[in-house]
Amino acid sequence: DAGITQSPRYKITETGRQVTLMCHQTWSHSYMFWYRQDLGHGLRLIYYSAAADITDKGEVPDGYVVSRSKTENFPLTLESATRSQTSVYFCASSFGLAGETQYFGPGTRLLVL
Amino acid sequence: AQSVSQHNHHVILSEAASLELGCNYSYGGTVNLFWYVQYPGQHLQLLLKYFSGDPLVKGIKGFEAEFIKSKFSFNLRKPSVQWSDTAEYFCAVNARAGGYQKVTFGIGTKLQVIP
Repeated sequence: DAGITQSPRYKITETGRQVTLMCHQTWSHSYMFWYRQDLGHGLRLIYYSAAADITDKGEVPDGYVVSRSKTENFPLTLESATRSQTSVYFCASSFGLAGETQYFGPGTRLLVL
Repeated sequence: AQSVSQHNHHVILSEAASLELGCNYSYGGTVNLFWYVQYPGQHLQLLLKYFSGDPLVKGIKGFEAEFIKSKFSFNLRKPSVQWSDTAEYFCAVNARAGGYQKVTFGIGTKLQVIP
């Protein structure tokens, strides 16, 4: 019963480097989400995906790229990391969207130096 | 634009005190409402949700919330808090906006319960 997992759990990188955060869910949920959690901002949606090969921007998509070639995986890539992308990143999934509970992963703490 | 406001950013209570955390949203259409909780060092998990029907919703660990449509509110309550309720609480709204469903979270309320 793995549920939803994220890797790595902690990451330190340097400005300008490319970083990919992985998210994997075992429930075959259609929807997957990426959020960032920052003090004073709560959770902000970066990107979401309604199904394999279907993705859409959330509230703060700039500087991020996502893909969803398989239903169970939803990687998030920071193409050229900036200090402002230092944050805790949460992946979530849900069966549907309307009224459906989102199930969250444990989070990835990213520090960009 | 759809938004969620949580009025109390940091709440400190003694054990056995009553709790009410405010949540207001700005959207006039059909909404689904959620409260999520994040215990220290853990990921977010669902506390309770409103989808339809009885506006008074009961969740886990003795929490409840009341949906008041006329006030655009979904306040979270617990009659007697415990030290183990120390956590961050997030209100979230799922509504249809611009032809697609959208989920918006509030900024969270940190609850500290003092033994």
